[in-house]
This record gives sequence, structure tokens and C-alpha cells, in this order.
Amino acid sequence: RKEVEQDPGPFNVPEGATVAFNCTYSNSASQSFFWYRQDCRKEPKLLMSVYSSGNEDGRFTAQLNRASQYISLLIRDSKLSDSATYLCVVNSPSGTYKYIFGTGTRLKVLA
Amino acid sequence: EAGVAQSPRYKIIEKRQSVAFWCNPISGHATLYWYQQILGQGPKLLIQFQNNGVVDDSQLPKDRFSAERLKGVDSTLKIQPAKLEDSAVYLCASSLGRTAETQYFGPGTRLLVL
Repeated sequence: RKEVEQDPGPFNVPEGATVAFNCTYSNSASQSFFWYRQDCRKEPKLLMSVYSSGNEDGRFTAQLNRASQYISLLIRDSKLSDSATYLCVVNSPSGTYKYIFGTGTRLKVLA
Repeated sequence: EAGVAQSPRYKIIEKRQSVAFWCNPISGHATLYWYQQILGQGPKLLIQFQNNGVVDDSQLPKDRFSAERLKGVDSTLKIQPAKLEDSAVYLCASSLGRTAETQYFGPGTRLLVL
């Protein structure tokens, strides 16, 4: 089983739609979780951190489910500019704080 | 504030040749990371430095890859000799410390090995 797993997609959704991605992780001791956004041929950029209590930033909501070992990202009222790859990142609690990236989920918002 | 700088942006070499990439992290960032991102995959950590010491290099193919961070600031990643499967984007990132920190990425070096 991969340490961090994501559905690669692509998710094709119309403008204005709500879309959700999940990411599962294998190590129950992981403590830090993030969503990064990566545009085509660009570097990843932090979208938001995921806290135990959840995190909301405008149209974006991230949640953590420790019992089932997954994190989620919800995007409401999708915009064309939301089209990108969304990378799930989990820290590996091995003492070196290594961050493990998922393969990413591609989102395409259609006009 | 200046971001993470990387050079070159693009490199094309033939297999068995050597290549080097350079990274200058954000000023004051103690931790520096080198990632390899193959098309369609997420970034894979190659090596992580804390100041000028190696914290993790468990996924670095040490028979052909080497990296250094002299003086705890900028860093160089070298591949010698290159293989076809090394074709990827090499991303450098930095963070202020080590724990639960935001990583800031450079634009990457796109390597094509022919």
C-alpha cells in the first residue's frame, strides 16, 4: 500500500460546481497534513494546512479524519482558475519530518 | 522577499553524461529539500538538509546522485552518469525549520536525458 494515495482523476466539473477530493495515508502516526496546488509546468504552492478541527479558506475547506486515515479537500463554486493538480502531503513521523507527496488529483473546471 | 532560485531552468543531455543543478533557498531558511518529479507523479524527496547536514537521503540513488550544501546556504545536486529514467523536473524547496513548516518551491529544473 502506498504511503499517500490519491485518485489521479481527471475530475472534469462545470463552473460553479462543488467538487471534493480525498487522500488516504497509511501511517496512523502522521501528524501534519497539507494540500498543495500545482499548475501545469509550475512548482507546487501551499494551498492550505489541514488541522484536526478542519480548516476553511474562502471556497476551500479541508478536513482530517484520523479514524479512517484520510484528508479531504472541498472546493465550492468552482472557478476556471481552480483548474490545477491538487497534491496531498503527509509528514512521515520517522524523526526526520519527511513530507510524502501523493501523485496529485487533476481538476479541470469547464466553462 | 525573494523566492527559491534554481538554475538552469532546462537541460538536455545524453545518457552517461553528467549534470549539475543549483539551488539558492529563501534567506534564513534552515531546511533545504531536493525533489524529483516524474511526469504524472508527485514530487519524491531525494535529499533533505538541515543547515549543512544531511537529515534524510534514503531515496537518493547514491551510485549516481550526489548533493551538497556547503556553508548551509545554497546547494548543488549532481547526476553522474545520467540515465534515461532520470528525465524529470528537479525541484528545490526550503522551509524555515523542520517541523510542520510550509515548504516553498523553486521553479524547478526540467531535465531531459536522450
